Amino acid sequence: EIVMTQSPATLSVSPGERATLSCRASQSVSSNLAWYQQKPGQAPRLLIYGASTRATGIPARFSGSGSGTEFTLTISSLQSEDFAVYYCQQYNNWPPSYTFGQGTKLEIK
Amino acid sequence: QLQLQESGSGLVKPSQTLSLTCAVSGGSISSGGYSWSWIRQPPGKGLEWIGYIYHSGSTYYNPSLKSRVTISVDRSKNQFSLKLSSVTAADTAVYYCARGARKTMITFGWFDPWGQGTLVTVSS
Repeated sequence: EIVMTQSPATLSVSPGERATLSCRASQSVSSNLAWYQQKPGQAPRLLIYGASTRATGIPARFSGSGSGTEFTLTISSLQSEDFAVYYCQQYNNWPPSYTFGQGTKLEIK
Repeated sequence: QLQLQESGSGLVKPSQTLSLTCAVSGGSISSGGYSWSWIRQPPGKGLEWIGYIYHSGSTYYNPSLKSRVTISVDRSKNQFSLKLSSVTAADTAVYYCARGARKTMITFGWFDPWGQGTLVTVSS
């Protein structure tokens, strides 16, 4: 099983500042990585797929980078609605066994 | 706009079988090009992929749950279903259904959209 490790577990950032979230895979997943945002009581929402492609309707302040085992989600200027939990997910295996990171909680500083 | 809606029993007794259905609207489950997954999230914890089915009827399951999981599709009702047998308290979670995007001819990737989720509690 490919283990996804996210860091930090909690990130405190002020509105308007930049947030950088990390995700590491236990083995290479190429660019087969997605990022999701989850707010309390809601389902996850797709932000990024293919490591760096924004999903439809996602603001340009969200960007993804990386390949292989190291990935980053950057939110360039935090808005109030961005404070949430963020998950990474790999989809590289065959046969499929998709795995998620444990999440990073982005909180207001 | 594609929408997914989970339904089923919210309380299941230990050792019994959990059964959930995901109704798909705004698109056909048989149109091909997508997989249809179940994903769960224990209270306060992270996400775990359970398995998927795609238009041919082929299924793939998380190896850790494979012996207890069955996913099936009812094309006439445009819905797919999950059965998880021999449940324990560890199976208490919010269960989501989601569509998986096609990555290659036979593989799938990210999940979008998701249903709103349904809480299933395992308790006597």
